[in-house]
Amino acid sequence: GAGVSQSPSNKVTEKGKDVELRCDPISGHTALYWYRQSLGQGLEFLIYFQGNSAPDKSGLPSDRFSAERTGGSVSTLTIQRTQQEDSAVYLCASSFGTSGGWGEQFFGPGTRLTVL
Amino acid sequence: LAKTTQPISMDSYEGQEVNITCSHNNIATNDYITWYQQFPSQGPRFIIQGYKTKVTNEVASLFIPADRKSSTLSLPRVSLSDTAVYYCLVGEGAAGNKLTFGGGTRVLVKP
Repeated sequence: GAGVSQSPSNKVTEKGKDVELRCDPISGHTALYWYRQSLGQGLEFLIYFQGNSAPDKSGLPSDRFSAERTGGSVSTLTIQRTQQEDSAVYLCASSFGTSGGWGEQFFGPGTRLTVL
Repeated sequence: LAKTTQPISMDSYEGQEVNITCSHNNIATNDYITWYQQFPSQGPRFIIQGYKTKVTNEVASLFIPADRKSSTLSLPRVSLSDTAVYYCLVGEGAAGNKLTFGGGTRVLVKP
């Protein structure tokens, strides 16, 4: 079946512009995660959605970052007034949920964001 | 937050067993330990998950001591295609939403 998809695969923008990154999770997965991975670095957790519950946004690095998940499916990560330090690969993952453990997260291919 | 620590890199040879240890001293009661593999330009891929003692699947084993303050991923008989970065992930518990990945261990398998 189809895996997690993300779009665009690459995004180049100018400093100060807003960008939107999209994630389509696997159908039926109730949990959705966003991570950021800077060049040569590990994964930094950003935000997590579980079903229709309000997400915990405390992992977002600044108030320029926001995320929403419509209808419990597609999610959009928005970065306003982008800065050069926002350049990274943004990874989305989904899973069946957290009952009895975090379970297997299925990751998308990521969106590589470059802020000039 | 459950902080995790892993070695930065490890070298091995084809056919050998590779063991990667992750330290997570302040792991919480409800936390599970999960390991992921990542190849360049790809998202991480699930390897194995455990809570305590030993878990084994078709690709790896996970050893967790009784105090759960560390865990060891064991890759038997590695091949060149196992060259990747391996991440240890410790969940903060069913009520928490912050997940902490270790810095990753870069494993290089040599012929």
